[in-house]
Amino acid sequence: GNSVTQMEGPVTLSEEAFLTINCTYTATGYPSLFWYVQYPGEGLQLLLKATKADDKGSNKGFEATYRKETTSFHLEKGSVQVSDSAVYFCALSDYTGNQFYFGTGTSLTVIP
Amino acid sequence: KAGVTQTPRYLIKTRGQQVTLSCSPISGHRSVSWYQQTPGQGLQFLFEYFSETQRNKGNFPGRFSGRQFSNSRSEMNVSTLELGDSALYLCASSLSGSHEQYFGPGTRLTVT
Repeated sequence: GNSVTQMEGPVTLSEEAFLTINCTYTATGYPSLFWYVQYPGEGLQLLLKATKADDKGSNKGFEATYRKETTSFHLEKGSVQVSDSAVYFCALSDYTGNQFYFGTGTSLTVIP
Repeated sequence: KAGVTQTPRYLIKTRGQQVTLSCSPISGHRSVSWYQQTPGQGLQFLFEYFSETQRNKGNFPGRFSGRQFSNSRSEMNVSTLELGDSALYLCASSLSGSHEQYFGPGTRLTVT
């Protein structure tokens, strides 16, 4: 079956530190991979995506590369800001694009 | 273009009651998915509707049901509420097969 495993939090970093949130997946076929972000009191927002192996998704300084050989899609940012404090979810969609599977979320707090 | 809207935003119910939540998708989106989000279980898929038909279903008891109307608006119903049903219920819409979902802000249900 399909599933997503991401590193547990919470993660606390100082401003301008380097961020990595690990995500690995299990899937049949060729899934698309996503990172979503959830700010307090809000729904999830799509942060970035990659639809095939070796694709790199990027947005707002965040990056993640679709690694088929290691079944991973780790989220990285070179220099985090206080405004990046949120919960981050790794997700995949199955080959139909109609069903999604989410990780448990990683809470990030950035302190000044 | 207006985003996904969910009503009500907050709801308090008593054990044994039933509740109906509503979701209006982005205009033109015919696929609507529902998720339950809790601190312990993360984001769990409830069901997905497309063109008034339930196309995918998660692993939830029959107390959880949904429907979709001809204008793509969707409702989910939970009967005989239990304390464990307290959660944030998120709705997401997408173009069918697009591999990209857009989330509403959620309905926070508290069961006392």
